[in-house]
Amino acid sequence: KAGVTQTPRYLIKTRGQQVTLSCSPISGHRSVSWYQQTPGQGLQFLFEYFSETQRNKGNFPGRFSGRQFSNSRSEMNVSTLELGDSALYLCASRRATDSYNEQFFGPGTRLTVL
Amino acid sequence: DQQVKQNSPSLSVQEGRISILNCDYTNSMFDYFLWYKKYPAEGPTFLISISSIKDKNEDGRFTVFLNKSAKHLSLHIVPSQPGDSAVYFCAASDSGGSNYKLTFGKGTLLTVNP
Repeated sequence: KAGVTQTPRYLIKTRGQQVTLSCSPISGHRSVSWYQQTPGQGLQFLFEYFSETQRNKGNFPGRFSGRQFSNSRSEMNVSTLELGDSALYLCASRRATDSYNEQFFGPGTRLTVL
Repeated sequence: DQQVKQNSPSLSVQEGRISILNCDYTNSMFDYFLWYKKYPAEGPTFLISISSIKDKNEDGRFTVFLNKSAKHLSLHIVPSQPGDSAVYFCAASDSGGSNYKLTFGKGTLLTVNP
């Protein structure tokens, strides 16, 4: 069974640009969550999508957005990039049949903003 | 406000000995707790979880203990192996309703010396 895949794995952008990251969940998983990992803050929750609907959102500015498609694949978009957006962006999926399913993470996309 | 705290940034143990990683939380609504292991350049890998109705869960060399009154959990690895060297994240969830969001600690770097 294939794991969570994320593309691209590495990305370099400049301030003011926008970026779109992609995540394909494990087959059969309907919930996709996004996290930002930075050295100072650890892993911070961005948002969760289930059946194409955003169900939960973390404390990030509106420049961070996402969406989920009917096949459960998800994209995350960051507009007007800032230097502080440099981070590892992790996607995680879970079956979501009940609240106690664990999340499975992808390898992440390393975003560097210059 | 950090709701999940891992106060030890690093821990070093000898191969074959016990590794004990600690985690404290402040939100009494958390009722599901997980441990993840993370190697560099990879996403976190799920290790073990425990719900608040239990005080112990065991899976092979890994045991998680939960002390709800103290809002404290710990992960025991026995015996420790060099391959266990990684960053370990404690995570917690308030599973009420359909929302699902993991709150992570900042991680503890475990080094197991041969």
